[in-house]
Amino acid sequence: GAGVSQSPSNKVTEKGKDVELRCDPISGHTALYWYRQSLGQGLEFLIYFQGNSAPDKSGLPSDRFSAERTGGSVSTLTIQRTQQEDSAVYLCASSPSTTQYFGPGTRLTVL
Amino acid sequence: GIQVEQSPPDLILQEGANSTLRCNFSDSVNNLQWFHQNPWGQLINLFYIPSGTKQNGRLSATTVATERYSLLYISSSQTTDSGVYFCAVEGSSNTGKLIFGQGTTLQVKP
Repeated sequence: GAGVSQSPSNKVTEKGKDVELRCDPISGHTALYWYRQSLGQGLEFLIYFQGNSAPDKSGLPSDRFSAERTGGSVSTLTIQRTQQEDSAVYLCASSPSTTQYFGPGTRLTVL
Repeated sequence: GIQVEQSPPDLILQEGANSTLRCNFSDSVNNLQWFHQNPWGQLINLFYIPSGTKQNGRLSATTVATERYSLLYISSSQTTDSGVYFCAVEGSSNTGKLIFGQGTTLQVKP
């Protein structure tokens, strides 16, 4: 079946602009996660959704970062007033219970 | 928080060789997964293995939870095995939040 999909695959933006990254999880997966992968920090957890609620937002690096999930499906990660240190690959994963399945990621470059 | 250490950081093999990758973690875990990140960046789930032993083709994994380590075995390596192997664990959060090690970069030469 279809895996986790993310869009766009690449995003180049200017410092100070807002960006939205989208994640379409595997159908029926109730849990959804966002992670970030950067050269200096490795793979870091950002936020966890169970259904439409986000019981764990502990990994969001600042209040410029927010995320929502609607209909227990699609999720959007929004970064406001982007900074150069936000450049990274943003990965989404979904899970039916324990095993997490990752999407291909969105490579964000902030100039 | 829980710490995850992987070794070795880098590994170069000739095609056909066997290898063992290690993951040490600093506290008890509810979840442990091994992933392969291919050269295009895709993270592929290899094993969900919080304890015990599993095998899938040329790959197998063993987690000794009481001693806080996991091993990933690759036998008869192929060039397509190249990439980065990550170990990731969930501690006591009960949210599924994974803490990743820094990875082992494997290069298999023909």
